[in-house]
This record gives sequence, C-alpha cells and structure tokens, in this order.
Amino acid sequence: GENVEQHPSTLSVQEGDSAVIKCTYSDSASNYFPWYKQELGKGPQLIIDIRSNVGEKKDQRIAVTLNKTAKHFSLHITETQPEDSAVYFCAPIQKLVFGTGTRLLVSP
Amino acid sequence: EAGVTQFPSHSVIEKGQTVTLRCDPISGHDNLYWYRRVMGKEIKFLLHFVKESKQDESGMPNNRFLAERTGGTYSTLKVQPAELEDSGVYFCASSQDYSPRGYIQYFGAGTRLSVL
Repeated sequence: GENVEQHPSTLSVQEGDSAVIKCTYSDSASNYFPWYKQELGKGPQLIIDIRSNVGEKKDQRIAVTLNKTAKHFSLHITETQPEDSAVYFCAPIQKLVFGTGTRLLVSP
Repeated sequence: EAGVTQFPSHSVIEKGQTVTLRCDPISGHDNLYWYRRVMGKEIKFLLHFVKESKQDESGMPNNRFLAERTGGTYSTLKVQPAELEDSGVYFCASSQDYSPRGYIQYFGAGTRLSVL
C-alpha cells in the first residue's frame, strides 16, 4: 500500500528561525501535494499546495518544494513566529493517506 | 459563509454504548469525507460521500461503524457498540470538487471521542 513518511515528528525553533518539514511518499502516481496546518482545537487547514508540474511554490513566509523523482516534498517556513506553532500534515495521496504529522514549536 | 461544523466537539461514553457524530459540510459541497486520528498516529480516511451516495467506504474499520448522508446534506457517523480502540478524533471534511488532479478539502474542528 501507499507509504508516507514525515520528518521530523517534532521540531523546536526560535522565533525568526526557519523550519523545514519533509514528506516522503511511495506512490509515483501522486500529482497533487498539499500541506495542512492543525492548530489546537481546530481541524487541519490547507496552507499551501503544489501540483506535479511545478517544482516550487511560495506564499509569503511559506513555500513548498517538490522533487518528484525522489518522491518527496518539503514545507519551508521562514521567519517563524509563535503563531506558526501547530501540527503540520502532508497528504500526497489526498483522501487516502496523510503523513503522521510534525509538531512545530516556535519559542519567542 | 459557515465552514464545516461538527457536533459534538467531545463525547465521552462507556464501552458498549452507542455514539452518533454529526457533520454539516459547507453549503453546496457535494463531497463529504470522514477521517479519524487515533492518539499519535496519522489521519486515516474512513469514507467519502458524493451527495447521498457512498463513493468510497474502503476505510471503514468494521461493521460497528455506520455512516449516512440522507438528502445529501449533513452526515452522521454512528459507532455501535463502541470499543476502547475507537477513541480518537473524528474529522469531517467537504469539498466542492473531487479530482485525482487535486482538490481542496475543508475540515471541521473534529469530534474527540473517548471510550472508557
């Protein structure tokens, strides 16, 4: 079956630092790569996504890069702020398989 | 515009009891999904409705789980009888479109189910 791995499981950074979360998948048919952010007491919310014909997409402080050959895509957050603290999920096989989540803690 | 709403936000029941979770999708969204996340593990797909029809129920764990979407609006997920391993957070999501090329899902806040 499909295999999705997300690393790291926990990431602690200082405010202003950058954070990178990596998602590795096994299904070569995947062609849509979203990242979700789940804050405490809320459901996952889409924060950025990328399609397979694009290598990188940026939206203000967040970006996603895709390496389809190596079957991984990464979430990049620059100039982290305390409100970025949350659990982040990748979902390369949307509806069927989500990553296990990365808990990001940004300390002021 | 209201988002996806789920009720209740938290339910505590004893093993063997019945619980019904409700999800109201965003108005006009034909696609409705149920997921659950057990403690510390990944979010797992349960099933997908298109309007009132079950498009995919491959993730339903066993016949103690029954999902309905009568009328194609809100959906319910009933667990009967509940077991300890059913504890977790149950999420509902909806989308306007559904395509292998990609689509945006909107999630509710989830129902935390605790089976004692």
